[in-house]
Amino acid sequence: EVQLVQSGAEVKKPGESLKISCKGSGYSFTSYWIGWVRQMPGKGLEWMGIIYPGDSDTRYSPSFQGQVTISADKSISTAYLQWSSLKASDTAMYYCAREVPAANCFDYWGQGTLVTVSS
Amino acid sequence: AIRMTQSPSSLSASTGDRVTITCRASQGISSYLAWYQQKPGKAPKLLIYAASTLQSGVPSRFSGSGSGTDFTLTISCLQSEDFATYYCQQYYSYLTFGGGTKVEIK
Repeated sequence: EVQLVQSGAEVKKPGESLKISCKGSGYSFTSYWIGWVRQMPGKGLEWMGIIYPGDSDTRYSPSFQGQVTISADKSISTAYLQWSSLKASDTAMYYCAREVPAANCFDYWGQGTLVTVSS
Repeated sequence: AIRMTQSPSSLSASTGDRVTITCRASQGISSYLAWYQQKPGKAPKLLIYAASTLQSGVPSRFSGSGSGTDFTLTISCLQSEDFATYYCQQYYSYLTFGGGTKVEIK
């Protein structure tokens, strides 16, 4: 069974750093792109970027380029999303998701990680 | 960036109704379009990709059509479990989502 399991909810202060994770299982982790999607409270979905764990090829949405870093450790089948300096506006639910081969949409999703940034 | 505009932003319908949601791209995207369903507190679920290909396990009452700039998602006979928010997503150039359509109980 394909599963993406994300790390737990985080509460951080503005200016702090954070790295959240997404562990894949039940499939060949290195053979599928993994994407990250943001959903701010009460709002829609925003694509942040994707990574191919097989070679760590990474693409970012222009809206998120330079704001976050996406990485992966294929030895432990885990993808990451990190911030060096959080802002209150980073408060959101973050989902990881696996891309459908040859179609840049997402067939399996993690359960989401809620990040709250507040002073 | 390609913008995706969904309409309506919300609708009220009854069980058994036929529901149609539209999605318009700011430029042609061929058939590089997916539809998702999201229920409160849950991750989105892929319904359709390549504009009209039903994802495995999705009921056949869901269907998608369109190409170029105009697309539709149709639910042929609305069931109680279909009350949710629906999003379109283009993958012709980068990825962008529409603003969502909330389907509520009339």
